[in-house]
This record gives sequence, C-alpha cells and structure tokens, in this order.
Amino acid sequence: AQKITQTQPGMFVQEKEAVTLDCTYDTSDQSYGLFWYKQPSSGEMIFLIYQGSYDEQNATEGRYSLNFQKARKSANLVISASQLGDSAMYFCAMREGVYNTDKLIFGTGTRLQVFP
Amino acid sequence: GAVVSQHPSWVICKSGTSVKIECRSLDFQATTMFWYRQFPKQSLMLMATSNEGSKATYEQGVEKDKFLINHASLTLSTLTVTSAHPEDSSFYICSAGRANLEGEKLFFGSGTQLSVL
Repeated sequence: AQKITQTQPGMFVQEKEAVTLDCTYDTSDQSYGLFWYKQPSSGEMIFLIYQGSYDEQNATEGRYSLNFQKARKSANLVISASQLGDSAMYFCAMREGVYNTDKLIFGTGTRLQVFP
Repeated sequence: GAVVSQHPSWVICKSGTSVKIECRSLDFQATTMFWYRQFPKQSLMLMATSNEGSKATYEQGVEKDKFLINHASLTLSTLTVTSAHPEDSSFYICSAGRANLEGEKLFFGSGTQLSVL
C-alpha cells in the first residue's frame, strides 16, 4: 500500500496567488514526521517544512505552511504569494519514527508551474 | 547550515564497468546515510540505508551485490554500481542527517546523473 499519496501530478497557479498541494499518508505509528521538499530542474532537494505527529500547531516557514489534519491523515502544503521561482517538483515525505536514522519515504510528487 | 557533498555530479560509463559515487557530510557526523534512485519525472525511491561501521540495509528488490554500499567513516558513504548496464542509468542522490536529533530534516547531496552506454 502507498504510504504517501500525492494525487496532483501537476498544478498551475498565477503569480502572487496561493496554492495548496495535497498529501495524504498512511501509518500505524504514533510517532512520525512529515516533510515537504522542493526539487527544481537542477535536481537538488530543498527542505521546505516539517511537521511532527505530536505537534499541535501547524508548521509555518515563511511563505510555506503545512495544513496538518491528523485524523484525516493529510499534510497539505500551502504556498502563499506564489513566485515564478516556485516552479518545481514538490515532494511530500514521511518518516516513521522521529529520528533522522529512520528512513524517509517520498510521494510521487506534484509539478507546480507558476505563470505571470 | 549542514552540507552534504556528492560526487561526481554526472558520469558516463561503458556497459560492464563499475562506477563509484561518494557522499560526504561536510560539517557534521552522520551515522546513517540514505541512498535514493530517481528515474526521470518520477519520485525518489529509497535503495538502501547506509550505517557507519556495519552492513547496509537494502530495500526490497534492490540487488545488494550490484549496488555496493560502504560507510567506513562518520562522514563518508559510497555507492558502487558494479557491472553497470544501461538500465542502471538514473539519478542517484544521497542524504544524511545529524546524528539522532529528533525532528531533524535530512540534508541531500546534489545528486549524480549516471548514464551507461
């Protein structure tokens, strides 16, 4: 079974608008972490935001926020005020366990394109 | 911030040869590193977990004799693709985290594009 599901292969958004990228996950662990990474065409993986399973507040990092709905097992990424440079692949990932020695599993990704 | 260096960035080799890819944590110790493989327009697939001083743990379906992993020090892990064939052509990327910190993100290398002719 898929552990991480990203149902949007591609998304378009106009510059300065907000966009939500969907992510659902499946785990029976109580302790887990959810991550979003951005991968531009250069291939590097850029960390955006992290949410721990026990965190009660939604994580925020600048223009990025994570809409964490634990009961629904969803961890959607919200990008506010989109910029042209936000065009890239976005991957949701889950770590079962809380330490970085626990492996990170990625979803299939969403390609975001920001247009003027 | 923490940096992971990966070399080479790209490599072209003949079928049947072996290729070594290095992954170094530059300013932190990494007891665990991870190796991923990514085909064009697809996700990162975890190949193996590299543990310093012990054998790597391979994911199901990954041939351990073909993808040799060595993690001889706290700052270096290597992936050797042995007897490479065109189907091994892919983007390989490593990652590492600072040792056992809760909630820590993984830092990624810049990746290696392997093309086997």
